[in-house]
Amino acid sequence: GAVVSQHPSRVICKSGTSVKIECRSLDFQATTMFWYRQFPKQSLMLMATSNEGSKATYEQGVEKDKFLINHASLTLSTLTVTSAHPEDSSFYICSARDGLAGDMLQETQYFGPGTRLLVL
Amino acid sequence: KQEVTQIPAALSVPEGENLVLNCSFTDSAIYNLQWFRQDPGKGLTSLLLIQSSQREQTSGRLNASLDKSSGRSTLYIAASQPGDSATYLCAVHPDTGFQKLVFGTGTRLLVSP
Repeated sequence: GAVVSQHPSRVICKSGTSVKIECRSLDFQATTMFWYRQFPKQSLMLMATSNEGSKATYEQGVEKDKFLINHASLTLSTLTVTSAHPEDSSFYICSARDGLAGDMLQETQYFGPGTRLLVL
Repeated sequence: KQEVTQIPAALSVPEGENLVLNCSFTDSAIYNLQWFRQDPGKGLTSLLLIQSSQREQTSGRLNASLDKSSGRSTLYIAASQPGDSATYLCAVHPDTGFQKLVFGTGTRLLVSP
């Protein structure tokens, strides 16, 4: 089955630093990747949609200058949390859509294992 | 705006019981609905995907139904096992959003030996 990896799995940083999270599709080409955030005991909230070779589309209320997304290749998207603050502490999950699967309505998204960010 | 709600929020059952998890959504204009499993501190595993034209999908001990017109889906787990303990999330793919999944609030399931 399709596999999506994330790195790092866990990161602790000081307030004010920037953190980069990588999302990779290991055995398929992901033309579209999605970034979600999940607070404790809450559901996933879509932050942005990342399309290879173009600018990301951010959901309402998500600061694009705060959460920089780069989807430079068909297998890699990165999320950079700039000048992180304690309120940015959360579980960040990416997912990827197989660009060659055909009908996008028939397909599923493959989720990464998540990255837990703790900002002190 | 699409809203997805899951009931109950938490469920604890002894091993062997059959159980039903509920998911409701406010806007019936969807392409499909998915059920996911999430283990603590982990990502999501897709369990079942039901297209809007389908009524149910089955995989092993899992059976998911969809009543699109009433905005409801159920996930039936037969003969529950301790390994089924996890959070179960349903998500709908609205037909107005490009692959934007809207997730439910989740049901935390604990199956005790």
